[in-house]
Amino acid sequence: GAVVSQHPSRVICKSGTSVKIECRSLDFQATTMFWYRQFPKKSLMLMATSNEGSKATYEQGVEKDKFLINHASLTLSTLTVTSAHPEDSSFYICSALARGDGETQYFGPGTRLLVL
Amino acid sequence: ILNVEQSPQSLHVQEGDSTNFTCSFPSSNFYALHWYRWETAKSPEALFVMTLNGDEKKKGRISATLNTKEGYSYLYIKGSQPEDSATYLCAFDSSGGYQKVTFGTGTKLQVIP
Repeated sequence: GAVVSQHPSRVICKSGTSVKIECRSLDFQATTMFWYRQFPKKSLMLMATSNEGSKATYEQGVEKDKFLINHASLTLSTLTVTSAHPEDSSFYICSALARGDGETQYFGPGTRLLVL
Repeated sequence: ILNVEQSPQSLHVQEGDSTNFTCSFPSSNFYALHWYRWETAKSPEALFVMTLNGDEKKKGRISATLNTKEGYSYLYIKGSQPEDSATYLCAFDSSGGYQKVTFGTGTKLQVIP
């Protein structure tokens, strides 16, 4: 089956630093990737939709200057949390849409971010 | 904000028991209902995509039903096995474009050998 990887799986950083999270589709091309954030005991929330070669579409309430998304190729999307603060600590997960596969999303394993 | 609820939040069952849990979603603007199986530290696995009222889908010992008029879907697991232990997540798709997919909070299942 289709595989999506995320790197890193876990990151701890100091407040004020920026953190980049990579999402890769390993064996298929993904023109569309999605970034989600999960708050403790709450649902996954869609942050943004990333389309290869164009600007990401952000959901209402998500700061695009805070969460920079780049989808430079058909297999890679990156999420950069700029000037991270403790309230950005969360579980971030990406998914990739495999075209021609019933529009199924394939999820990465997630990245746990802890900002001290 | 769309309200997608799953119940129970968690449950423990003995190996061999059958179990079921519920996903409730808005009954309007329905496009599809997705079920995922999510093991800790792994990627969620797509189980079913359900689109029609009255749909019933089956994959091995796992099956799901859909009622779009009243806004609920049931996931059934027959003869639970320890390897079924996972979080089962539903997602309500109101547009077909994934721009409006809302996930439930999940039901965490623990099957006791």
